[in-house]
Amino acid sequence: GQQLNQSPQSMFIQEGEDVSMNCTSSSIFNTWLWYKQDPGEGPVLLIALYKAGELTSNGRLTAQFGITRKDSFLNISASIPSDVGIYFCAGGSGATNKLIFGTGTLLAVQP
Amino acid sequence: DTEVTQTPKHLVMGMTNKKSLKCEQHMGHRAMYWYKQKAKKPPELMFVYSYEKLSINESVPSRFSPECPNSSLLNLHLHALQPEDSALYLCASSQEGTLSQETQYFGPGTRLLVL
Repeated sequence: GQQLNQSPQSMFIQEGEDVSMNCTSSSIFNTWLWYKQDPGEGPVLLIALYKAGELTSNGRLTAQFGITRKDSFLNISASIPSDVGIYFCAGGSGATNKLIFGTGTLLAVQP
Repeated sequence: DTEVTQTPKHLVMGMTNKKSLKCEQHMGHRAMYWYKQKAKKPPELMFVYSYEKLSINESVPSRFSPECPNSSLLNLHLHALQPEDSALYLCASSQEGTLSQETQYFGPGTRLLVL
């Protein structure tokens, strides 16, 4: 099925570093979502964005809905070991219940 | 409360067995979903129920049979599965008819192994 371009594919960083990842699409979306998934668990919703240009924070996490509605980024500040996991973006068109998922970013944090 | 629960957590079944996965939410959401996820891949949509009616079937083989007994419950009946069906099966739910209708909340998943 259709997937969003998500980069980077993986990141290996030191504790305390800031992290940035993004998703791009050739299609316009009305909703951008960011999820974190730990091994063997379901994705957990981190941030939901509903308006072009919207910038939303959740603790050390900040995400933005691109002004063109074709991209979104997620920043994590001052990373800690429990930030380890796979981060997925997802876009929704608003016309259906279908989400298009990004390919995922694997984050590893070295203590 | 944004909790979606799933049972069982783990399931091992033979190719001739019949089993069911269960999902429950009490957020008043009227859309519920089944996804299949392979390791390190994004979830793949299987079925969508909207107001207890099947609205999307992503060409899933008939050995997977979904059921939505009421607005809080979603089942996935499994029969004659193949080893390649081994995966993490995720349930999700979302509101309908609102700006956030596509914001899906996932359960913890059922890890299925088909022998």
